[in-house]
Amino acid sequence: DAMVIQNPRYQVTQFGKPVTLSCSQTLNHNVMYWYQQKSSQAPKLLFHYYDKDFNNEADTPDNFQSRRPNTSFCFLDIRSPGLGDAAMYLCATSRDWGSGSSYEQYFGPGTRLTVT
Amino acid sequence: GNSVTQMEGPVTLSEEAFLTINCTYTATGYPSLFWYVQYPGEGLQLLLKATKADDKGSNKGFEATYRKETTSFHLEKGSVQVSDSAVYFCALFTGGFKTIFGAGTRLFVKA
Repeated sequence: DAMVIQNPRYQVTQFGKPVTLSCSQTLNHNVMYWYQQKSSQAPKLLFHYYDKDFNNEADTPDNFQSRRPNTSFCFLDIRSPGLGDAAMYLCATSRDWGSGSSYEQYFGPGTRLTVT
Repeated sequence: GNSVTQMEGPVTLSEEAFLTINCTYTATGYPSLFWYVQYPGEGLQLLLKATKADDKGSNKGFEATYRKETTSFHLEKGSVQVSDSAVYFCALFTGGFKTIFGAGTRLFVKA
């Protein structure tokens, strides 16, 4: 089955220690997103890639970076995690919104990040 | 700006009860509307969608009708099960690459 995979499902890091979360997809979608979600609140968009074009949300802290080496993979790097960065991080994909699709997003299972 | 407002939870129902979760939206143009469901410890899954006025989305016994005149997309199910316990998010998309999510409504279904 085509899907969005996130690894690891649970990640523990220390305050200030860099951490990388990974996402891969077999859907061959152009667009990949990273969201932060706290306590079942609405997911908050951090950034997205349209192919290789990176688009940062205006209120995403500089501490969060992303890389997309190819269509299938996307990484979220948190350079110096603080206690407030503990959250669920969700990766999602979609087709190009101009493609005539209804633009639903396909989410991975998420990585729950704990900062100690 | 575009926004989604959905009823606050939690909503607690007994098994086989009727479910309604209200969702209204504000948007320019003609948005596509979605309901996503998030089970405990999981990511969001698309539950149903509607792309134009008067469309009815349906899946797994859930239904929602795109009402342009009332700017609403209420989620309904005739008979809920314990396995429907989850958080439900109403969402809209008007173009570009940003989906606007509501705050989510947590549903508890008791046996």
